Amino acid sequence: GDSVTQMEGPVTLSEEAFLTINCTYTATGYPSLFWYVQYPGEGLQLLLKATKADDKGSNKGFEATYRKETTSFHLEKGSVQVSDSAVYFCALKRDPGNTGKLIFGQGTTLQVKP
Amino acid sequence: EPEVTQTPSHQVTQMGQEVILRCVPISNHLYFYWYRQILGQKVEFLVSFYNNEISEKSEIFDDQFSVERPDGSNFTLKIRSTKLEDSAMYFCASRREEETQYFGPGTRLLVL
Repeated sequence: GDSVTQMEGPVTLSEEAFLTINCTYTATGYPSLFWYVQYPGEGLQLLLKATKADDKGSNKGFEATYRKETTSFHLEKGSVQVSDSAVYFCALKRDPGNTGKLIFGQGTTLQVKP
Repeated sequence: EPEVTQTPSHQVTQMGQEVILRCVPISNHLYFYWYRQILGQKVEFLVSFYNNEISEKSEIFDDQFSVERPDGSNFTLKIRSTKLEDSAMYFCASRREEETQYFGPGTRLLVL
C-alpha cells in the first residue's frame, strides 16, 4: 500500500545551518505531496505542497521538489532559525477522486540551538 | 483566521468507558477527517466524512468507533469501550473542495 518514510530524528542544528529532512514515498498513480509542521502545543499546519512531478513547493524559506524518478520530496531550508524548532511531517494524498485522506510519515523533530 | 478547534485538549478515562471527542471544523468546509497518533508513531488516518456519511475508514476504525455531525457545526468521534491501545493524540481536520486539510490542535486521550 501507499506509504511515506522520513529520516529519523531528532535533527539538531545550530542557527543559520542548512536543513535537509529526507522524505520518500511509495504510491500508485500520481499523488500530491505535502509537508506539515507541528509547533509545540499546536495542531498540524500545512507548510508547503506539490501536486505534480517537478513542482517545487515553497513557504517561509522552506522548499521541497517533487521528484518522481526518485519518489522523493525532501524538505530544505538554507538558514534555520530557533523558531523553526518543531516536528515536520511529510504526507501524500493519492489521485483526485480519492477521499482526500493523507498518509503521513513518522515525523522528524527539528531542534535549532542559538 | 478561521481554525479547527477540538475539545477537550486532554482526556483521561478508564478502560471500558465511552469517550466522545469533539471538533468544530471550519464553517464552510465540507470534508471532515479524524486521525490519530500513538506516542512515537505515525499519524494514522481513521475516517473521512462527507455529505453526512462515512466516505472511507481505515482498519483501525472498527465497530467501537463512530462519527457524527449532530448539528451542522460539531464533528464528533466516539469510542464506545476504550482500550489501553486507544491512548493517543486524536486530530480532527477539515477542508473545502481544494486539497489543503486544516488540522485542529488535537485531543490527548489516555486510557488507564
